[in-house]
Amino acid sequence: AQSVTQPDIHITVSEGASLELRCNYSYGATPYLFWYVQSPGQGLQLLLKYFSGDTLVQGIKGFEAEFKRSQSSFNLRKPSVHWSDAAEYFCAQGGSTLGRLYFGRGTQLTVWP
Amino acid sequence: KAGVTQTPRYLIKTRGQQVTLSCSPISGHRSVSWYQQTPGQGLQFLFEYFSETQRNKGNFPGRFSGRQFSNSRSEMNVSTLELGDSALYLCASSGPDGNTEAFFGQGTRLTVV
Repeated sequence: AQSVTQPDIHITVSEGASLELRCNYSYGATPYLFWYVQSPGQGLQLLLKYFSGDTLVQGIKGFEAEFKRSQSSFNLRKPSVHWSDAAEYFCAQGGSTLGRLYFGRGTQLTVWP
Repeated sequence: KAGVTQTPRYLIKTRGQQVTLSCSPISGHRSVSWYQQTPGQGLQFLFEYFSETQRNKGNFPGRFSGRQFSNSRSEMNVSTLELGDSALYLCASSGPDGNTEAFFGQGTRLTVV
């Protein structure tokens, strides 16, 4: 069965520090990969997506992600975290079933001032 | 361009009642999918509609149903509400073929008492 794994449930970083959130996917064919962010009580906002091509993709709010097929990974990075980045981050994969995304369990990011 | 609109934002219902949630997708999007989000189970796929037809269905009981209208607006209905149905219900819309990035609404917070 298709699955997405986010190994880190909760990450705490200091403001200004770099950030990397991990994501591994299981479906081997052309993966459509996404990162979403969710603030408390809100919907999901799309940060970035990967369909094909350049394996380093840029997103909004200064985020980027790198697709590594050999590691089945799609990790999210940001060079310098801001306090406003505190939220829950979800990695998702589409492609195997039209119209459906498979989500990881999410990583809660806390940012210390 | 208006985003995905979900109504109402908040609902409180009593066990045994039924509820209908509404979702208006982004203009031009023909795919609407629904997800249930709870702290314990994360984001779970309910179903997806494309051009008024249900294309995919998740693993939920028959009490959960949906439909899509000719203008792509979608509704989901939950009958005989249980306490465990308390959740954030998220709707997402996708582009013409339903296999592009999904854009989410703010969600409907359903509380069953």
